[in-house]
Amino acid sequence: DAGVTQSPTHLIKTRGQHVTLRCSPISGHKSVSWYQQVLGQGPQFIFQYYEKEERGRGNFPDRFSARQFPNYSSELNVNALLLGDSALYLCASSLSQMNTEAFFGQGTRLTVV
Amino acid sequence: GEDVEQSLFLSVREGDSSVINCTYTDSSSTYLYWYKQEPGAGLQLLTYIFSNMDMKQDQRLTVLLNKKDKHLSLRIADTQTGDSAIYFCAERNSGYALNFGKGTSLLVTP
Repeated sequence: DAGVTQSPTHLIKTRGQHVTLRCSPISGHKSVSWYQQVLGQGPQFIFQYYEKEERGRGNFPDRFSARQFPNYSSELNVNALLLGDSALYLCASSLSQMNTEAFFGQGTRLTVV
Repeated sequence: GEDVEQSLFLSVREGDSSVINCTYTDSSSTYLYWYKQEPGAGLQLLTYIFSNMDMKQDQRLTVLLNKKDKHLSLRIADTQTGDSAIYFCAERNSGYALNFGKGTSLLVTP
């Protein structure tokens, strides 16, 4: 049984560019959450999507957006990249919106130069 | 993660027990979690406890919860070198998101 899969695993972008990160949840899981982990810190909550609707949003600027597709996979989009957006972006899936057991993917390492 | 605090570093000898501590601030009923992160990897869910419980044991892992002091601990019995990693404490907030601490780096020496 596949776990949470994220793509790409690594990428390098230039300041001002746009990036799209992808996540496929565990089969049967309907909730996807996104977290940003800056080096040396704990993950910070960005978004939660459940049944294709945004159910929660963390303290991130409007440059960050996301969506969830009918197959429950999700994309995180970041516009106008800043150097400070360099981080590990983690996706977590859970069965329901209540997020009682959240399982994380391996993450996408984004470097902005 | 500013509502969840952890000590940053712990070093133990192989075979000893490790105890990683965490304090949290949410006073409502919630779930509390321990995750493990190895270098360059994502987070692995180790165990979790509901706030109406005092203790949970799962093989080598024991979680203790002191609700009065809002203190959570993770004890790893017979610590092995493969246990070396960063351990994150997290609480589920009222919006169902996870608030993480900054992580405790555990080093296990032979």
